[in-house]
Amino acid sequence: AQSVTQLDSQVPVFEEAPVELRCNYSSSVSVYLFWYVQYPNQGLQLLLKYLSGSTLVKGINGFEAEFNKSQTSFHLRKPSVHISDTAEYFCAVSGPYNQGGKLIFGQGTELSVKP
Amino acid sequence: NAGVMQNPRHLVRRRGQEARLRCSPMKGHSHVYWYRQLPEEGLKFMVYLQKENIIDESGMPKERFSAEFPKEGPSILRIQQVVRGDSAAYFCASSRGDSGNTIYFGEGSWLTVV
Repeated sequence: AQSVTQLDSQVPVFEEAPVELRCNYSSSVSVYLFWYVQYPNQGLQLLLKYLSGSTLVKGINGFEAEFNKSQTSFHLRKPSVHISDTAEYFCAVSGPYNQGGKLIFGQGTELSVKP
Repeated sequence: NAGVMQNPRHLVRRRGQEARLRCSPMKGHSHVYWYRQLPEEGLKFMVYLQKENIIDESGMPKERFSAEFPKEGPSILRIQQVVRGDSAAYFCASSRGDSGNTIYFGEGSWLTVV
């Protein structure tokens, strides 16, 4: 079975500071990996995804993530955060055999950016 | 190009009533997925549908919940005889269905059972 663990439920950080949101996954088969952002009372927006190729993936809003197969990790980073980055962030892995849109989500990390 | 459209955005039902949540996928998408987000939890997969077919319903509760995606019209998630524990945000997503293809989420339907 596949699973995703987001190691931090809440991450407070000051504006313009760097941030890393941690994600580890477990799977016996190759997977696709995703990070989504959810603003309050809204749906999920895709930040970035890893399918294959370069392990460093760049996404929207200045975010990037690095796929590390040996560590089974896919941590999300941003060098300088803004107040507007305050949101819930979800790491997800595709289901077995990379089924279409069946995703397995982590519990989420609440990023709180303070002035 | 309209995104995934869900309605209603907010729904209040008394215990024992039925809730119907509707989802229109993005134009050109024939695959629909329903997810549930309980308070303080991540999203949990419920069901995956194509037109007139249920592909994977491994995340659906065994009773009271059903989903359909008819040939014409939106996908419907139906919850019969709602209980307080059904209170959650229900998200619909759609995709073309290709492996690794991005899925796009709707804004969600918030169900409150009183």
